[in-house]
Amino acid sequence: DIQMTQSPSSLSASVGDRVTITCRASQSISSFLNWYQQKPGKAPKVLIYAASSLQSGVPSRFSGSGSGTDFTLTISSLQPEDFATYYCQQSYSNPAFGGGTKVEIK
Amino acid sequence: QITLKESGPTLVKPTQTLTLTCTFSGFSLTTSGVGVGWIRQPPGKALEWLALIFWDDDKRYNPSLKSRLTITKDTSKNQVVLTMTNMDPVDTATYYCAHRRRAAVGNDYWFDPWGQGTLVTVSS
Repeated sequence: DIQMTQSPSSLSASVGDRVTITCRASQSISSFLNWYQQKPGKAPKVLIYAASSLQSGVPSRFSGSGSGTDFTLTISSLQPEDFATYYCQQSYSNPAFGGGTKVEIK
Repeated sequence: QITLKESGPTLVKPTQTLTLTCTFSGFSLTTSGVGVGWIRQPPGKALEWLALIFWDDDKRYNPSLKSRLTITKDTSKNQVVLTMTNMDPVDTATYYCAHRRRAAVGNDYWFDPWGQGTLVTVSS
């Protein structure tokens, strides 16, 4: 099974900050990597699919990059509505999620 | 517009079998490439994929839970059913079903959208 490891598990940031979250796969997954945002009490929503493709309707301040085993989600300028938990998920084989990164207000 | 909604018991006793139903609209599970997955999330913890069923009745399971899971579909009712046997308090979680969306080209896929989730508590 492919394991997904996210870092950090949590971070504190201010509105306007640039935020980067990392996801590492236990083996190469090419670009089969998706990112989700989850707010408290809500279901996850996809932000990025295929490592770098922005889901329709998602603000352009979100971007994804990487291939192989190392991937990043970047929020270029953090907005109040972006405080949430973010998960990566590989789709190279049977689905697997990372442990999540909680983005909190500093 | 695709929508999904989970239904089932909110409370089950240890050792019992859990049966959850995902009722969906806006797509058909007879269309090539379509799939529906189940994912769960214990309170305050991460997402865990459980099972996936495809239009052609192919089924995939999380290896760590495979012996306890069964996923089926009823295309006439637009429903997918997940059963999990021998429930334990550690199985307390919000259970989500989600539409497996496939890329227009290639084999990439992601879950979009998700149902609202249903909280299942396992307690005697």
